[in-house]
Amino acid sequence: DADVTQTPRNRITKTGKRIMLECSQTKGHDRMYWYRQDPGLGLRLIYYSFDVKDINKGEISDGYSVSRQAQAKFSLSLESAIPNQTALYFCATSDLGLAGTDTQYFGPGTRLTVL
Amino acid sequence: GDSVTQMEGPVTLSEEAFLTINCTYTATGYPSLFWYVQYPGEGLQLLLKATKADDKGSNKGFEATYRKETTSFHLEKGSVQVSDSAVYFCALSAPNTGNQFYFGTGTSLTVIP
Repeated sequence: DADVTQTPRNRITKTGKRIMLECSQTKGHDRMYWYRQDPGLGLRLIYYSFDVKDINKGEISDGYSVSRQAQAKFSLSLESAIPNQTALYFCATSDLGLAGTDTQYFGPGTRLTVL
Repeated sequence: GDSVTQMEGPVTLSEEAFLTINCTYTATGYPSLFWYVQYPGEGLQLLLKATKADDKGSNKGFEATYRKETTSFHLEKGSVQVSDSAVYFCALSAPNTGNQFYFGTGTSLTVIP
């Protein structure tokens, strides 16, 4: 079984709809992240959480919100979807290593299309 | 702020050719450096990493050396295969920015038989 899972894998929705993307992990990591990937722009950080009580905005948080329901679950919501939020969304986890080194582990992605 | 710049693609090579994908970084602290690979339809997977200057990361025939003097972490492979076709991302993580990751824009590699 995959260590980091995302649901749904694909979603088509209409402008103005509320959408939730879910992420679950079995790696036991404290840190979780949401990114979006757009062609030619690489990955951009939306939100991140270093533990259940810690939520931080990333580079492009406007139009998004998150909820860390448990150590293993981190959800991303689009309160009112708009077409320029059409993208590939990735969840990732990490755990600070003994040498102070972070390595991120990614889910398979959710392809979201907003019409 | 911290950032990563990698060579733009797409890159097309014949099987068994030599691969270099350039990556340079800007960081105020002492970052760890990474290469991730994304195969079609999948998420990113860690390919290799290096945590301090002069370290060499290696995996699956790929190598990259952490060069502090040139702030570079170029990815190399001596003989590419069709199965290496993917998008490659250079990234850094630095303790002074809370270990946030900064990714390059990705370089698409296609290897033809």
